[in-house]
Amino acid sequence: DIQMTQSPSSLSASVGDRVTITCRASQGINYYLAWFQQKPGKAPKSLIYAASSLQSGVPSRFSGRGSGTEFTLTISSLQPEDFATYFCQQYNKYPLTFGGGTKVEIK
Amino acid sequence: QITLKESGPTLVKPTQTLSLTCTFSGFSLSTYGVGVGWIRQPPGKALEWLGIIYWDDDKRYSPSLESRLTITKDTSKNKVVLTMTNMDPVDTATYYCAHGRYYYDSGSYYVEFDYWGQGTLVTVSS
Repeated sequence: DIQMTQSPSSLSASVGDRVTITCRASQGINYYLAWFQQKPGKAPKSLIYAASSLQSGVPSRFSGRGSGTEFTLTISSLQPEDFATYFCQQYNKYPLTFGGGTKVEIK
Repeated sequence: QITLKESGPTLVKPTQTLSLTCTFSGFSLSTYGVGVGWIRQPPGKALEWLGIIYWDDDKRYSPSLESRLTITKDTSKNKVVLTMTNMDPVDTATYYCAHGRYYYDSGSYYVEFDYWGQGTLVTVSS
């Protein structure tokens, strides 16, 4: 199985901050990576697919980069509604696997 | 507008079989390139992919759970059913279904999840 490792596991930031989350794959996955946002008690929401393509309706302050084994999700200017947990997921090979999550908290 | 909703028992006893239904709208599971997947999340833990069924009835399962899982579809009723046998307390989790977009790229096929249901919490306890 492809292991997905996210870092940090949590971070504290203020509104307006630039935030970057990293996701590393245990083997190359090309660019078949997605990012999800999850708020407490809610279903995950798809933000990005194919490492850098924004899902329809997702604000442009979210961006994704990377290919191979290292990927990043950046929020250019953190907004109050962005405080949540973020997960990466590879879909290059079965079984599909998720990262452990990064919780973004208010400083 | 694509929506999905999971339903089923909230409490099952150890060794019992769990059956969850995903009822969806806004798409057809008879359309080429469509799949419905199942993912679970134990309390406070990460997401775990369980399996997926495609428009052509092809199925893929997590190898670690494959012997316990069955996914079926009723295209006419817009429903997908997940069955998991021999439930154990470690299977306590929120179970989600999700719409999968299956597509061809650079010589292979891939599936990405774009819409998810709200999830249903299943507790396994005697």
